[in-house]
Amino acid sequence: SYVLTQPPPVSVAPGKTARITCGGNNIGSKTVHWYQQKPGQAPVLVIYYDGDRPSGIPERFSGSNSGNTATLTISRVEAGDEADYYCQVWDSTSDHPIFGTGTKVTVL
Amino acid sequence: QVQLVQSGSELKKPGASVKLSCQASGSAFTNYTMNWVRQAPGQGLEWMGWINTNTGNPTFAQDFTGRFVFSLDTSAGAAYLQITSLKPEDTAVYYCAYRHNLKGVFWFDPWGQGTLVTVSS
Repeated sequence: SYVLTQPPPVSVAPGKTARITCGGNNIGSKTVHWYQQKPGQAPVLVIYYDGDRPSGIPERFSGSNSGNTATLTISRVEAGDEADYYCQVWDSTSDHPIFGTGTKVTVL
Repeated sequence: QVQLVQSGSELKKPGASVKLSCQASGSAFTNYTMNWVRQAPGQGLEWMGWINTNTGNPTFAQDFTGRFVFSLDTSAGAAYLQITSLKPEDTAVYYCAYRHNLKGVFWFDPWGQGTLVTVSS
């Protein structure tokens, strides 16, 4: 089945930019969504359709997808951005969603 | 605003059953497919399956056949997940989530707050 690979934990200083990747075979041909999960809370959609933001999500969050890598970019990182981030695609072969392994973002 | 509110934490013994609820508000219940996602302690998100809120027809992921039941009370706008013959490895937080569909692309929003199920003797 289709596999999404996310990197190990990422540490970033406040005000800097965090980039979280999601690797998959020709993932650029699929549509990627991103979820933020803060400790003890439910996941929240932060990017859908590769780069669209739901209402209420700051413009600091952006997404891109090409080739074998999709990327979630968090600009001007704030302490409140500290969370686990998961990518997700829909596997048309199995007609099931696939979640990435998740990446923990720590704000220094 | 669409909101999903789940039932409270459960502590069960191995072999018992549990039924979790997910109450929807803010939108017509049958507008979206209801999905269930499991998250074991310290682990990632694992999709369990979904139930068609129009027909009640369930679909299960491969690892969630047999002991798992999805059901609805459409008039109440509620979905349910029942797990039978509980095992310690069923200990996890269980989330419900609406699935959105745009041109064959699917994503999940919103999510319920989650229900922690602990299975221990």
